[in-house]
Amino acid sequence: QLQLQESGPGLVKPSETLSLTCTVSGGSISSSSYYWGWIRQPPGKGLEWIGSIYYSGSTYYNPSLKSRVTISVDTSKNQFSLKLSSVTAADTAVYYCARHEWELPPDYWGQGTLVTVSS
Amino acid sequence: QSVLTQPPSASGTPGQRVTISCSGSSSNIGSNYVYWYQQLPGTAPKLLIYRNNQRPSGVPDRFSGSKSGTSASLAISGLRSEDEADYYCAAWDDSLSGPVFGTGTKVTVL
Repeated sequence: QLQLQESGPGLVKPSETLSLTCTVSGGSISSSSYYWGWIRQPPGKGLEWIGSIYYSGSTYYNPSLKSRVTISVDTSKNQFSLKLSSVTAADTAVYYCARHEWELPPDYWGQGTLVTVSS
Repeated sequence: QSVLTQPPSASGTPGQRVTISCSGSSSNIGSNYVYWYQQLPGTAPKLLIYRNNQRPSGVPDRFSGSKSGTSASLAISGLRSEDEADYYCAAWDDSLSGPVFGTGTKVTVL
């Protein structure tokens, strides 16, 4: 059974960089069929796609966040990572990693991790 | 920013049928598959319906999905107390080159 697990600091200071890693188990991140993405959900609000990466390193970002987002992949560790720079309180959210096929929404999700931006 | 529009709430008594709508555009629902998720408090979204009307293994057949044009619907029949949750629709958006999500509907079992 495929499992995804987010990890990283739960508290980030304003103007700093948020960094999270998603570890994939029960399947290979190098599968040719799938993309690996990050989605966030501010407290009490809806879901927003941040961006996705293919195992080859090709990336796709939401234009609303593109200037601040970097997603990378480490196939040797079966992990992919998110960096979001210059964070503000508006970036406080539960961050989920997820798997999806091209032109399809996610099918598998991690449990999510709450990141709070505060001094 | 949610691109797909859902009613904020829906409710019913146990055993009733509840329907949730999801409205989009030609760049998302109109040209791509619709997915539905159930989110219980404090948990990650769980896939309920994929490719418009398919249920993953383990999802009861009380849940069904349909799509017509740029809109989609999720129906819950034989409503149960454990169905009380937030429900989100999603679809790929060709303009975004990524998935977009609905505004979410909170289902209350009276």
